[in-house]
Amino acid sequence: AQKITQTQPGMFVQEKEAVTLDCTYDTSDPSYGLFWYKQPSSGEMIFLIYQGSYDQQNATEGRYSLNFQKARKSANLVISASQLGDSAMYFCAMREVNTNAGKSTFGDGTTLTVKP
Amino acid sequence: DAMVIQNPRYQVTQFGKPVTLSCSQTLNHNVMYWYQQKSSQAPKLLFHYYDKDFNNEADTPDNFQSRRPNTSFCFLDIRSPGLGDAAMYLCATSRDKASEETQYFGPGTRLLVL
Repeated sequence: AQKITQTQPGMFVQEKEAVTLDCTYDTSDPSYGLFWYKQPSSGEMIFLIYQGSYDQQNATEGRYSLNFQKARKSANLVISASQLGDSAMYFCAMREVNTNAGKSTFGDGTTLTVKP
Repeated sequence: DAMVIQNPRYQVTQFGKPVTLSCSQTLNHNVMYWYQQKSSQAPKLLFHYYDKDFNNEADTPDNFQSRRPNTSFCFLDIRSPGLGDAAMYLCATSRDKASEETQYFGPGTRLLVL
């Protein structure tokens, strides 16, 4: 079974609007971390935001917020006020300590295109 | 600024000709990773070092080797590149393997095999 599922291969959003990128995960490890990365066409993976499995509040970093619903095993990324520079591929990743030796598993990614 | 550096950014090699990709970090992190990423796919972990301990993924081909001579540097050696090895190779670091530790990536090396 896939550990990280990103069901949206591609998404479009109008500039200045908000967009939600979906991520669901599967783990039996009680201790895990969820990460979102942005990968522009240049190739570098840029860390955006982190959510810990024990965190009570949703993580926020500037225009990025993570909608963490633990019971549903979802960790959706919300980008507010989209900018043209947000056009990129976005990866959701999970790090498990006890069941995967601290290694990260990545989803297949979502390509976001911001329209002017 | 502390960072992860990869050289070269672009590498062209011939089929079967050994190639080495390099990664250095100024973060003083214990863990260094090598990922292979093919177009529009998720990064695939090849191996990682926790300090000097080498950890190979079960499905990493024998053609791929790695060296970590010191904390700062890590190398990826491809002994006999095939056409299927053309990809982006990403180096990443993390302070340790705890669930909250972020991985920081370098800019990647795009490998082309002719």
